This record gives sequence, structure tokens and C-alpha cells, in this order.
Amino acid sequence: DIVMTQTPLSSPVTLGQPASISCRSSQSLVHSDGNTYLSWLQQRPGQPPRLLIYKISNRFSGVPDRFSGSGAGTDFTLKISRVEPEDVGVYYCTQSTQFPWTFGQGTKVEIK
Amino acid sequence: QVQLVESGGSVVQPGRSLTLSCAASGFTFSSNGMHWVRQAPGKGLEWVAVIWYDGSNKYYADSVKGRFTISRDNSENTLYLQMNSLRVEDTAVYYCARWGESKRLDYWGQGTLVTVSS
Repeated sequence: DIVMTQTPLSSPVTLGQPASISCRSSQSLVHSDGNTYLSWLQQRPGQPPRLLIYKISNRFSGVPDRFSGSGAGTDFTLKISRVEPEDVGVYYCTQSTQFPWTFGQGTKVEIK
Repeated sequence: QVQLVESGGSVVQPGRSLTLSCAASGFTFSSNGMHWVRQAPGKGLEWVAVIWYDGSNKYYADSVKGRFTISRDNSENTLYLQMNSLRVEDTAVYYCARWGESKRLDYWGQGTLVTVSS
């Protein structure tokens, strides 16, 4: 199974300041079709997960442009350019390149 | 709009069975694969199972293989998860999620809580 490792596990941030979360996979996420199936999910308190980013850097419908994704191979990053109050929650990276699909441990973003 | 509504969660004793349902609306259910993902209390997400759009293929996490069965009824726009031989460690909120384009989990239900306890 592909192991997804996120850092940090907790990220206290000041409103209006940037935040960054790293995700590393135990093996390359490049699929045989040439695509890299790495997504980012947001889970606000008491809510189900919500898709933010797919295929490394594509924002899902309705996701603000302050969220961006980057990376390649085994190393990926989610950035929030200016943290807003509604960004508080846990963020997960996930790979869908091969079964079983796996998730990172989650990174808790909270306001300082 | 896409809507997924899970039901069937309850408190059950270890070793017993339970079936979860996920009612889908707002899209052509028979065109999309579907997944179950669970989240133990205070923990992270764990992928459980997937079923292809037509039911032709299914995959399971090792932790549930042989005990859980994923199925679907495309005429009723409903996804199921039959859970047998339940264990305390199966206690979790169970989410159904749609398998969208580019292998993404693009829509999620609100979840249903399964508690396995004696």
C-alpha cells in the first residue's frame, strides 16, 4: 500500500497569513496513463470532507483561488495564500493512483 | 445538485451484521463508481471499498475484506455496504463518496455513525 505522510500535523496560523502543508508518498503517484492522482480534501469541524484540489493542482468547482496545489512524483504541497476564518479544519492529501486509495494522517489548521 | 444521503448506522454488538445505504440524486448514478470511506472517532480517513459504475468490479481494504460487501442498485440510485462479523474497531462514521472524473472523490455524503459495542 502507498503510505501518505503529511507535515506538519498541526499548523497554527494568523488570519491573512499564508499556510503550507506538505504531503509525501512512499512511492511515485504517476499512473501508467501519465497522470498523477493526488488530491487534497478539507474537513471543517463537524462536516464531511470536501474536495479542494485534484490531480495535484486543479481546483474543484467553487474552491477559492487562495488554495493552490503543486508538486510531482512523491512530494506535494497545498498552499493557502491568505488564511480566512472558514479555512479552519483538517486537511488531507489522498492518492487515487492505485488501490487501496490511501489518505495522509491529516493536518489541523487553526487560528493563532 | 449532487446529493448523497447515508442511512442505516446504529449501535450493534460485536459479531453482528449491519447494512448501510447511500441514496444518490442529482446525477446519473449509473455512470459513476462509488466508494465507502470511514472515519473512526477523532481519527483520520480510511478508504473502505469501491464499486464500479456497473457493479462489474469491487475492491476492498484489507481490514474489511471477507466481512464487508459493497453493492449497488442502479434502478434505485442506491449504494449499499453489507457489514458482517462487526468488530469494535469498525466503529466509525461511514461516508459514501462519488468517484468523479480524474479519479477524484468529488462529492461526499454527511455520513452515518456505526458503533460496535457490547
